[in-house]
Amino acid sequence: GAVVSQHPSRVICKSGTSVKIECRSLDFQATTMFWYRQFPKQSLMLMATSNEGSKATYEQGVEKDKFLINHASLTLSTLTVTSAHPEDSSFYICSAQGGGRGWGETQYFGPGTRLLVL
Amino acid sequence: GDSVTQMEGPVTLSEEAFLTINCTYTATGYPSLFWYVQYPGEGLQLLLKATKADDKGSNKGFEATYRKETTSFHLEKGSVQVSDSAVYFCALESNRDDKIIFGKGTRLHILP
Repeated sequence: GAVVSQHPSRVICKSGTSVKIECRSLDFQATTMFWYRQFPKQSLMLMATSNEGSKATYEQGVEKDKFLINHASLTLSTLTVTSAHPEDSSFYICSAQGGGRGWGETQYFGPGTRLLVL
Repeated sequence: GDSVTQMEGPVTLSEEAFLTINCTYTATGYPSLFWYVQYPGEGLQLLLKATKADDKGSNKGFEATYRKETTSFHLEKGSVQVSDSAVYFCALESNRDDKIIFGKGTRLHILP
C-alpha cells in the first residue's frame, strides 16, 4: 500500500520557538493532505486540509496564523507550529490522498509526530 | 452533522476470546466506513473498510459489515491475540467531501 512518512517522529522544544513537521507521500502524488491532532486518549481531530498549490482550509477553532501549512509539491506538506506553547504539546498526524479520483480515494496516514513543548 | 459513536473502553479480554467493538454512525448520504488501528507509539493504520451497504470489510481476522438499516459497522474477531492490543477507531468518510470523522477510539487489552 501507499506509504506516508513524517519527520521528525518526536520533537522537544522550548516555549516560544517554532517547529516544522514534514509529511511526505513516498510512492504516490498526494493532491490533498490532511493534518490531524490527537490529544492523549482522545480521537483525531482534523485541523486543516491542504491541496497542492493552494491555501489550506482550516477547521473551525484552529488558528491559521499559529499552525502554518504549506503544500508546495505533490509529495510534501509541512506544518509549522509557530511560537509553540506547552498547550500545543500533542501528537500530530498527517494523511495523504491522491490519484485524482476525488471522493472515495483512500487517505493514507503518516506515523505521527509527537511534540513536547517545555 | 456527521458523527461516529463507538463503545468506550478499555476492553480487556483473554487471548482467544471473541471480540466485538460496537460502532454506529450518523451521516447524510452514503458514507464509506473504516476501522483504523493504532498500536502503542505508532500512527494509524487502516484495518478494513466498506464503501457501500452490506459490504463486509475484512483483514487479519477482523471483520465488519456495513449495515445501513442499523447505521452500524461493528468490528468482530473470533479469536484475539495479545498482539491485537491497540486502540481501534471507527470512522466515516462523507460522500460530500473528503473529511474523515473519527470515533473516540476503543482501547483493547488482550491478556495472555
